[in-house]
Amino acid sequence: AQKVTQAQTEISVVEKEDVTLDCVYETRDTTYYLFWYKQPPSGELVFLIRRNSFDEQNEISGRYSWNFQKSTSSFNFTITASQVVDSAVYFCALSEQSDSWGKLQFGAGTQVVVTP
Amino acid sequence: NAGVTQTPKFQVLKTGQSMTLQCAQDMNHEYMSWYRQDPGMGLRLIHYSVGAGITDQGEVPNGYNVSRSTTEDFPLRLLSAAPSQTSVYFCASSYLTYGSDTQYFGPGTRLTVL
Repeated sequence: AQKVTQAQTEISVVEKEDVTLDCVYETRDTTYYLFWYKQPPSGELVFLIRRNSFDEQNEISGRYSWNFQKSTSSFNFTITASQVVDSAVYFCALSEQSDSWGKLQFGAGTQVVVTP
Repeated sequence: NAGVTQTPKFQVLKTGQSMTLQCAQDMNHEYMSWYRQDPGMGLRLIHYSVGAGITDQGEVPNGYNVSRSTTEDFPLRLLSAAPSQTSVYFCASSYLTYGSDTQYFGPGTRLTVL
């Protein structure tokens, strides 16, 4: 069963609009980690953010922010004032303490298209 | 630091051929892993290693072999390529220490099996 669900296949926005990417995860562990990675058209995977299950504090880092809610098993990611360079596929991933160390379970990804 | 490097960037094989995808890192990371990326499926773990001489299977290990003789290198071997192995392959590495165990990925190898 898919443990990480990214229901949005593609999101298209105009530059300067905000974009929120949804991520819902499933785990029985009390200790786990959640990640967001970005894959631009060039193909590499770029680490963006990581949160652990004990830290629900939501933060803002530049134009990026995230909303981690254990009650709804969601880890949403927002890009504020989007730019063309934000066009990429964004992956949410889960790492569980009880599973193989370091194993990342990825969602299917959300394609973000930002047009000028 | 070069980070995580992968060679080759592109490869075309015929069914039944064998080859090795190379992965190296210069950050002295204990943990290394291989993922494959297929359309609409995200990335899936093939094999991983927590140190030299120690490897284990991930979610989709069939058709692939790995070994880890040094900390730096973690090659992935396809013994007899099949069209189902057409994919983009990513190598990743990290420390094992909590808080420093975020995985960083190489640039990927795009493999086509005809």
